[in-house]
Amino acid sequence: QSVLTQPPSASGTPGQRVTISCSGSSSNIGSNFVYWYQQVPGTAPKLLIYRNDQRPSGVPDRFSGSKSGTSASLAISGLRSEDEADYYCAAWDDSLSGPVFGGGTKLTVL
Amino acid sequence: EVQLLESGGGLVQPGGSLRLSCAASGFTFSAYAMSWVRQAPGKGLEWISAISGGGPTYYVDSVKGRFTISRDNSKNTLSLQMNRLRAEDTALYYCAKSMDYYESGSLDNWGQGTLVTVSS
Repeated sequence: QSVLTQPPSASGTPGQRVTISCSGSSSNIGSNFVYWYQQVPGTAPKLLIYRNDQRPSGVPDRFSGSKSGTSASLAISGLRSEDEADYYCAAWDDSLSGPVFGGGTKLTVL
Repeated sequence: EVQLLESGGGLVQPGGSLRLSCAASGFTFSAYAMSWVRQAPGKGLEWISAISGGGPTYYVDSVKGRFTISRDNSKNTLSLQMNRLRAEDTALYYCAKSMDYYESGSLDNWGQGTLVTVSS
C-alpha cells in the first residue's frame, strides 16, 4: 500500500481534459514538492512535472500540475492517443526520510 | 546528453548476491543525487535507495540491511550491492539521476533498466 494514493485507472476520449489525483499527508505532499512521471508501457519512466507545477523542456503545455494542501493533481488537456500510459506521483516523505511514489494510475484513451 | 547505462542483472538463487552498476555520462556526476528504483513485473514503481552527491543514503525498509548503495564520483559510477536476495526482489531495476544534490523526489533522467530475477 503506497504512502501516496492515486486512483488505479482513468480514461478519456481524444481532445478531452483528464485529471489524476494524488493524495498524501502533511509529511509528504503537505510539506514537500510533488513530481509526476509518465511511463509508456515497455519504456522507462519520464519526468513530466517537477516542483508541483513546472514542466521540463520538451513536455507539452497540455500537461499541468497543481498542489493544494496534502493533495496534488495532474491535468492533461487535449487528450491524445499517445498519452495512454501509467502516471505516477512522487514526493519526499519527512517521516520516512525518503522519497515515495504513488501506486500509479493507468490512463486509457478511448 | 545524459546517459545512464545499467548492468549486472541476471538470474540468482534465493539468498544469493548481485551487484548492479550504472555508468553515467553527460553531466557532472558528483553534483547530483542518484537513485535506484525498481519495478516488479506488472507492478508500480518502488524507490528503493538513494544517495546524495556527497554520500548520505536512503533505503526503503524492505531492503535495509541487505542492499548497499554507493557511488564513485571519480568513475561516474553508481552501484547497488544486493545480498540475501529474495523472490520478491525480482524486478527491473532502474538507475536514475536527481535534479538536485540531495534527493527530493525529482528524477529527471533514467536508464533503461536491468532485470533481476530471484528464483531457484
